[in-house]
Amino acid sequence: SAVISQKPSRDICQRGTSLTIQCQVDSQVTMMFWYRQQPGQSLTLIATANQGSEATYESGFVIDKFPISRPNLTFSTLTVSNMSPEDSSIYLCSVRVSGEVWNEQFFGPGTRLTVL
Amino acid sequence: AQSVTQLDSQVPVFEEAPVELRCNYSSSVSVYLFWYVQYPNQGLQLLLKYLSGSTLVESINGFEAEFNKSQTSFHLRKPSVHISDTAEYFCAVIGGGSNYKLTFGKGTLLTVNP
Repeated sequence: SAVISQKPSRDICQRGTSLTIQCQVDSQVTMMFWYRQQPGQSLTLIATANQGSEATYESGFVIDKFPISRPNLTFSTLTVSNMSPEDSSIYLCSVRVSGEVWNEQFFGPGTRLTVL
Repeated sequence: AQSVTQLDSQVPVFEEAPVELRCNYSSSVSVYLFWYVQYPNQGLQLLLKYLSGSTLVESINGFEAEFNKSQTSFHLRKPSVHISDTAEYFCAVIGGGSNYKLTFGKGTLLTVNP
């Protein structure tokens, strides 16, 4: 299993500012993912972050808006840049030990972001 | 592209009643199917999964789901629910073309009332 912590757990930010969310895992994992969960919506994958390579972004998400770092096998950050109220959401970090589908994917507790 | 439809956004039931949470998927290739649960103020946890083999899969707390390829469904059922089952339930799929990307449904809020 993998235990994931996220910081901050919640924040209220002003329009136009940026927030960096940290994700720490208690074991080394190959694959890390960042999701967004908007009110009343499903979880949407923002990007996949594998150590040693550039993050791969899903359609509708760009690096300038959501830069991601993955410096090692236990840590990643997601920055939400130049925020607007539409960015208000829960941001979730998720990991999988390796790429095989039978490996369980674990989720962090989430960061609840409110943009005013 | 794969997608998941959870037909009910909210399902209220009384304690000890049976419940079925519906999930349909679309994918042009073979799929792997999952149910995740999110209890109040907690993170997502894997409840059960279908990868291959028997189409009926069970969780340790009495839930079961059946993979039905002809109907492209993976409904979640429990014969008798408890107050503690109150949570949001998400159906998810990994399609054969993207061997690691989970696609989620919108979730179903199960509320068990005394």
